[in-house]
Amino acid sequence: RKEVEQDPGPFNVPEGATVAFNCTYSNSASQSFFWYRQDCRKEPKLLMSVYSSGNEDGRFTAQLNRASQYISLLIRDSKLSDSATYLCVVTPRGGGFKTIFGAGTRLFVKA
Amino acid sequence: SAVISQKPSRDICQRGTSLTIQCQVDSQVTMMFWYRQQPGQSLTLIATANQGSEATYESGFVIDKFPISRPNLTFSTLTVSNMSPEDSSIYLCSVEGVRSYNEQFFGPGTRLTVL
Repeated sequence: RKEVEQDPGPFNVPEGATVAFNCTYSNSASQSFFWYRQDCRKEPKLLMSVYSSGNEDGRFTAQLNRASQYISLLIRDSKLSDSATYLCVVTPRGGGFKTIFGAGTRLFVKA
Repeated sequence: SAVISQKPSRDICQRGTSLTIQCQVDSQVTMMFWYRQQPGQSLTLIATANQGSEATYESGFVIDKFPISRPNLTFSTLTVSNMSPEDSSIYLCSVEGVRSYNEQFFGPGTRLTVL
């Protein structure tokens, strides 16, 4: 079993749609959680951190479920510019900087 | 966030040769990281580079194949030695964030093709 698993997609949605991605992780001692965005042929960039209480940033909402060991990302009112690969990222507790990247979920938003 | 640059941005190399990739940061950072992203896959950590000490390599990566230098707090190099086509990949350096040491900022990457 991979340490971090994501549905690779692709997700093809129309503009304005709401889309949700899930990510599961295997290490119950994981400490920090993030969603990164990677555009085609570009480096990954931090989209948002994921907190236990859940957090929202504009059209983006991230949630963490420690009991079930998954995190989610919800995108509302999708824009064409949201088309990208979304990487789930997990850092274990006490693991220094052993950051684990998921393989990513590809999103295509169509006009 | 830190501004990170990498050189070269891309290269095409013959098998058996070596390539050194440079990573420059606009601020002093304690730790720098080198990742590999093979086509269609996610990022895999190669090693962590601290200034003044030897790099720490992840399982599956060895110093002879991927020697790393970290001469100061703003610069690091990764060498891909004795290359084979399997080394074709994007190589990225990154640094930890300021707000949270578990957040990372990435350089633009070096796209390497080995023939």
